[in-house]
Amino acid sequence: KQEVTQIPAALSVPEGENLVLNCSFTDSAIYNLQWFRQDPGKGLTSLLLIQSSQREQTSGRLNASLDKSSGRSTLYIAASQPGDSATYLCAVSDAGGTSYGKLTFGQGTILTVHP
Amino acid sequence: DTEVTQTPKHLVMGMTNKKSLKCEQHMGHRAMYWYKQKAKKPPELMFVYSYEKLSINESVPSRFSPECPNSSLLNLHLHALQPEDSALYLCASSKLPVSLGGISYTFGSGTRLTVV
Repeated sequence: KQEVTQIPAALSVPEGENLVLNCSFTDSAIYNLQWFRQDPGKGLTSLLLIQSSQREQTSGRLNASLDKSSGRSTLYIAASQPGDSATYLCAVSDAGGTSYGKLTFGQGTILTVHP
Repeated sequence: DTEVTQTPKHLVMGMTNKKSLKCEQHMGHRAMYWYKQKAKKPPELMFVYSYEKLSINESVPSRFSPECPNSSLLNLHLHALQPEDSALYLCASSKLPVSLGGISYTFGSGTRLTVV
């Protein structure tokens, strides 16, 4: 059974800092790894998708890396802003012998960026 | 249209009520999902529909009844719920097959359900 772990559980930083969120998964037979952002009481917004054959993806101030063999991914946020405050969720999709895949989530990292 | 739309956004229902949650997407995705999210927890998979057929039921109680009338619409019928069923219910969709790689999951904004 796939298990996804995110470290740290919570992170509080001053504005402008560069920061790293970590994600690890136990079964390396994944299709994709996807990072999401969730604001309180809201749905999930997709930030970055990394295919299992890729090493990293970038979007603006965000960069996500994937080391499939070691079961690890990191989300790097450059020059953090108060508007980045949210919960960040890592999720992996794997086959389980199906075509649709199952998306398994980590517990999330609660990020607070202080002005 | 790159959105998953869920209605209603908020729902309060009594334990004897029958209600339905609705999810709609027009991206041509052939897999649709229901997730349940309790406060401060990650989303947990409830049901998966692929090509309009129920493919996964994650041992969800029968008081939750999913329905996929067509490739764009997913419903979740609720009956005789308990207060502990109060949660954020999220709908998602994706292309198929996911094994192609690079398949992103798109989530709706959710329905906040309160059972009283």
